[in-house]
Amino acid sequence: RKEVEQDPGPFNVPEGATVAFNCTYSNSASQSFFWYRQDCRKEPKLLMSVYSSGNEDGRFTAQLNRASQYISLLIRDSKLSDSATYLCVVNTNAGKSTFGDGTTLTVKP
Amino acid sequence: DVKVTQSSRYLVKRTGEKVFLECVQDMDHENMFWYRQDPGLGLRLIYFSYDVKMKEKGDIPEGYSVSREKKERFSLILESASTNQTSMYLCASGDRPRYNEQFFGPGTRLTVL
Repeated sequence: RKEVEQDPGPFNVPEGATVAFNCTYSNSASQSFFWYRQDCRKEPKLLMSVYSSGNEDGRFTAQLNRASQYISLLIRDSKLSDSATYLCVVNTNAGKSTFGDGTTLTVKP
Repeated sequence: DVKVTQSSRYLVKRTGEKVFLECVQDMDHENMFWYRQDPGLGLRLIYFSYDVKMKEKGDIPEGYSVSREKKERFSLILESASTNQTSMYLCASGDRPRYNEQFFGPGTRLTVL
C-alpha cells in the first residue's frame, strides 16, 4: 500500500462544476499537509497548506481529518485554467515529504 | 519570490558517463531536496539536506550521490549514468522547520542513451 494515495483520475468536468479530490495517508506521525498544483511540463507549485480547522482560499477549500488520516480539496465554480494535476503532499517532522501520484483535472468549456 | 534554478532544462548523456545536476536557490533556505518524477510513479525523493555539508538518503538513493558545500547550492551526481536513470529531475528548497512547504525548480529532463 502506498503511503499517500489519491483518487485515480482523470476528472473531466464542465466549467462551473464543483469537484472534490481525496487523499489518504498511512503515517500517523505526519506533521504537515499540502496540495500542490502541477501544470503539464512544469514544476509543482504550492496551491495551499491544509490545516486541521480547514482552510479556504477563494474557490478552493482544503480539509484535514487526522483521525481518519484523510485530506480533501474542493474546487468550486471550476475554470478552464484549473486544468492541471493536483498533488497531495504529506510531511513528517523529520522533514520527509511523500507525494501522492496526483489527480488530473480537465475542465471543459 | 523564491527562485530555484537548475543548471539545464534538457540533458542527453551516454551510459557510463558521470553526470552533475546543479541546483541553486536564492532565498537562504536551509532545506534542499532532489526528486525524480516518472509517469505512473509520481515524485520520489532521492536525497535531501538540512544544512551545509549534511545529507540524508531519501527513498531511492541508489546510483546517486549529492554534495552541499554552500547553503544555496545542492548538486546531484550520477556516478555512472544508466538508461534507467532517464527521468525528470526536480530540485526543491524550503525554509525551517523541516516539514515546511517546498519550492521547486523548473526541472531537468535527463536522457541516458
